[in-house]
Amino acid sequence: GEDVEQSLFLSVREGDSSVINCTYTDSSSTYLYWYKQEPGAGLQLLTYIFSNMDMKQDQRLTVLLNKKDKHLSLRIADTQTGDSAIYFCAEIPSGAGSYQLTFGKGTKLSVIP
Amino acid sequence: NAGVTQTPKFQVLKTGQSMTLQCAQDMNHNSMYWYRQDPGMGLRLIYYSASEGTTDKGEVPNGYNVSRLNKREFSLRLESAAPSQTSVYFCASSGTGNTEAFFGQGTRLTVV
Repeated sequence: GEDVEQSLFLSVREGDSSVINCTYTDSSSTYLYWYKQEPGAGLQLLTYIFSNMDMKQDQRLTVLLNKKDKHLSLRIADTQTGDSAIYFCAEIPSGAGSYQLTFGKGTKLSVIP
Repeated sequence: NAGVTQTPKFQVLKTGQSMTLQCAQDMNHNSMYWYRQDPGMGLRLIYYSASEGTTDKGEVPNGYNVSRLNKREFSLRLESAAPSQTSVYFCASSGTGNTEAFFGQGTRLTVV
């Protein structure tokens, strides 16, 4: 089966950069996603990247994709306390009728003031 | 602009009781999903419905049933609740193609 792997915890100081890493298994995945979950809430799409891209930047967020190593990372510049949340990497595995997102276990980001 | 609405938000059941979790979306999405979230396990797909009239098993379907009542609504039923089903349940929906999935706020279920 497909497994998306992430480290479970990350702690950074406010103002520093955070880098959350993920490895995925399906090299045919067309899209790769980062979702954010704040305490007591559902998941919200943070950003996504097409598999034919190496990098995507959106304000403080930078997504890097290394297809050869099946490695995805999310960099948050100038991390703020409001960035404290759980971040999930996700892919949609290829295959006929495959619609469902496969999530990693999530990385809990703690920002120290 | 409601998005995905789940009810109830909290529920406590006794072992063996049954209940139905309700989910509705107002975005005219074709696909709907039920996930459960457990500590250290991430989100695991229970069932999904690619379009109205179809449902398919996900990773952890045992002990659950679903109904895609119409395009808007997708319910999850526990026929005989077990403590192992204590979890936070999320409903989600998405449009055609690899587009963003929108999540409800979750239902926190405790089975005692």
